[in-house]
Amino acid sequence: AQSVTQPDIHITVSEGASLELRCNYSYGATPYLFWYVQSPGQGLQLLLKYFSGDTLVQGIKGFEAEFKRSQSSFNLRKPSVHWSDAAEYFCAVVNQAGTALIFGKGTTLSVSS
Amino acid sequence: GAVVSQHPSWVICKSGTSVKIECRSLDFQATTMFWYRQFPKQSLMLMATSNEGSKATYEQGVEKDKFLINHASLTLSTLTVTSAHPEDSSFYICSVTEGLAGVGRTDTQYFGPGTRLTVL
Repeated sequence: AQSVTQPDIHITVSEGASLELRCNYSYGATPYLFWYVQSPGQGLQLLLKYFSGDTLVQGIKGFEAEFKRSQSSFNLRKPSVHWSDAAEYFCAVVNQAGTALIFGKGTTLSVSS
Repeated sequence: GAVVSQHPSWVICKSGTSVKIECRSLDFQATTMFWYRQFPKQSLMLMATSNEGSKATYEQGVEKDKFLINHASLTLSTLTVTSAHPEDSSFYICSVTEGLAGVGRTDTQYFGPGTRLTVL
């Protein structure tokens, strides 16, 4: 069965430091991958997505992610974290039927000053 | 991206009562809407998918008679939790997409802010 694993439940990063959130997926064919961010009182917001082509994807708010087929990974990165980036981050993959998103359990990001 | 609203943002009800949650697409016609359930510190679990004017497709293990979904128009879907029990307490989130489920693998989903349901 398809699945998405986010190994880190909670990460704390100092403001201004770099960030990497891990995401691993299990999927036989070419995956369609997403990263969403969820802030309290806000809906999930799409940060970026990968369908094909360049494996380094640029998103909003200075985020990027790199698709690595050999490692079945789609890690999210940001070179310099801001306090406003504190939120819950979800990695997701489209299911094989193309009818739904399968989400990871999420990583909570805290930003320390 | 699309703007999606949900109403109410939170609701408390007594066990045995029914609760209706609305999901509205404010700025585009949503052919397909999804309803998710999220437990604390857990992932979003898809409950059902609905296309406008058609019956919803429920995921395995989701009781369709308990969670009634009506996708009456291209801008409104409702989820009614019937005869709610404390175990139905959760965070319910809807999302919308312009594409038809099963056709558009690459369609982006736009999410509402969620509704917190507490059943006493």
